[in-house]
Amino acid sequence: SAVISQKPSRDICQRGTSLTIQCQVDSQVTMMFWYRQQPGQSLTLIATANQGSEATYESGFVIDKFPISRPNLTFSTLTVSNMSPEDSSIYLCSVARDTHTDTQYFGPGTRLTVL
Amino acid sequence: GENVEQHPSTLSVQEGDSAVIKCTYSDSASNYFPWYKQELGKGPQLIIDIRSNVGEKKDQRIAVTLNKTAKHFSLHITETQPEDSAVYFCAASKPPGGFKTIFGAGTRLFVKA
Repeated sequence: SAVISQKPSRDICQRGTSLTIQCQVDSQVTMMFWYRQQPGQSLTLIATANQGSEATYESGFVIDKFPISRPNLTFSTLTVSNMSPEDSSIYLCSVARDTHTDTQYFGPGTRLTVL
Repeated sequence: GENVEQHPSTLSVQEGDSAVIKCTYSDSASNYFPWYKQELGKGPQLIIDIRSNVGEKKDQRIAVTLNKTAKHFSLHITETQPEDSAVYFCAASKPPGGFKTIFGAGTRLFVKA
């Protein structure tokens, strides 16, 4: 498995502002992902964070709204830009050790409330 | 694309009883089926997984069964305890890498003491 930490664990933000969420893993991993989990709902993949290149976004998610960085094999950030109340969700980082292993491990999540 | 349906959405059992959660998937190419447990305020935790070359897998009180022909898989929890109360998600993914993992809607399990 992997030990994954996220910062902040929760935040309350005003609409129109931006928040950057950090994800740190205790060892190098090939794959890092960002998910959104709306209240009482399942997990929806936002994007795959690629080291050294632009993230790969899923349908319905765009880079201008959710810019992602991945400077190395243990760290990634997700920014939620120009927030609105509809962005209130739990944002989850997940990792997989390599491209041949399907198993994903999740961080504790960041609970975001936008007023 | 792949679709994963999960039932029931809510399940309430008495402590000591068994709980069964069922999922069906649509893409016959899917070959990896993990189950996650999510407690309140925490991220999903992998509890068991199964690959398409295996029909059943057990880990203490937890077991998963897979029927490839029918495209469904199930989670079985025996001798339930109050600490088993959580939301459970099934998922399905396919090669290469399997990173188009599709999650079910979740089952909220209540174990009554």
